[in-house]
Amino acid sequence: GDSVTQMEGPVTLSEEAFLTINCTYTATGYPSLFWYVQYPGEGLQLLLKATKADDKGSNKGFEATYRKETTSFHLEKGSVQVSDSAVYFCALLLRGANSKLTFGKGITLSVRP
Amino acid sequence: DTAVSQTPKYLVTQMGNDKSIKCEQNLGHDTMYWYKQDSKKFLKIMFSYNNKELIINETVPNRFSPKSPDKAHLNLHINSLELGDSAVYFCASSPLAGGATDTQYFGPGTRLTVL
Repeated sequence: GDSVTQMEGPVTLSEEAFLTINCTYTATGYPSLFWYVQYPGEGLQLLLKATKADDKGSNKGFEATYRKETTSFHLEKGSVQVSDSAVYFCALLLRGANSKLTFGKGITLSVRP
Repeated sequence: DTAVSQTPKYLVTQMGNDKSIKCEQNLGHDTMYWYKQDSKKFLKIMFSYNNKELIINETVPNRFSPKSPDKAHLNLHINSLELGDSAVYFCASSPLAGGATDTQYFGPGTRLTVL
């Protein structure tokens, strides 16, 4: 079945450090890929998305590139801030009437001053 | 204005009780969803409705019964609550069913604790 694998967490970084969160997927079709973020005590918000191979999604300094050859969608940010502390979820969505988001397990990022 | 709202935000109840969670979206979307987030933060879809019609039912126990009175509302009723039902339940909506580029918009969640 379709699945998303994220690197194990949690991750703790100092402010201004470089961030990479790995995400790989397995899908029967050609999915769209998403990163959602969950700040403490809140619901999920879309961070960025990409809908076809080689697309790059970007938002708030975060970037991820859809790599079909490696079935990956790694999240990167050049300089993290304390306010980036949250749980990050990678997800895929396949087209069709029964389309649904399939999430990875999420990874908790803590950024210390 | 809140796009996707849920009530209540917190729900604490005894095993065996019946409870409901309500969800409303003011985005004009056709499709709504319920997700369950367990204690390890893992998110899994439970149901989706498109314009009041059930589209996805992901092997959820039949103690869980969603109801969509109109396309702006999707409520979740749970009978005979069990300890394992303790979780955060998220409602979400998206413009269309089947649109692979559609962003899903999530509510703030309802934290259910079964004692």
